[in-house]
Amino acid sequence: DTAVSQTPKYLVTQMGNDKSIKCEQNLGHDTMYWYKQDSKKFLKIMFSYNNKELIINETVPNRFSPKSPDKAHLNLHINSLELGDSAVYFCASSPSGGNQETQYFGPGTRLLVL
Amino acid sequence: GEDVEQSLFLSVREGDSSVINCTYTDSSSTYLYWYKQEPGAGLQLLTYIFSNMDMKQDQRLTVLLNKKDKHLSLRIADTQTGDSAIYFCAECSSASKIIFGSGTRLSIRP
Repeated sequence: DTAVSQTPKYLVTQMGNDKSIKCEQNLGHDTMYWYKQDSKKFLKIMFSYNNKELIINETVPNRFSPKSPDKAHLNLHINSLELGDSAVYFCASSPSGGNQETQYFGPGTRLLVL
Repeated sequence: GEDVEQSLFLSVREGDSSVINCTYTDSSSTYLYWYKQEPGAGLQLLTYIFSNMDMKQDQRLTVLLNKKDKHLSLRIADTQTGDSAIYFCAECSSASKIIFGSGTRLSIRP
């Protein structure tokens, strides 16, 4: 069974559209994350949630809004998509967000904005 | 500030050892990680080392940590074609964030 899953795997859309990416983990973890990997493969954290509460919110445009309906899900909604939003978005989870924990990553969602 | 640096490319001959190096800046990092990303795939945790260790060995993988110099390395013995991937060094910063390096693309020559 997949521990951290994301849907969709691929997303191609026009500039200006609004889209959502979903993430689910079945590991029983309390903390979930969203990362963005740009075309140069650089990975940067965007958000983290612990038990549905926002913990980390890096400098991300407010067009990006994470939503955590329960601790097993962390969805990412993006409004008014721009060309620069094209990237691979990775979801991850860890048991409680402590800095001694490892994070488990989903397979990534490849977003292409045309 | 928080920063992790790696060289971008490494090419080795099949059967040789690969050594991927990384430097980090946050001296309070408790855990340091190596992740592997195969083409078109997600991130896979390869190994990690706790900051009070100097070395960790796991089959073909050896991690060396020089905490004084904030230098981390990953050695892959007997490199195989299946080891072709991007390898990311990462530190868990004092703010409990995982900070990644830019990744080192390892290619294998026959």
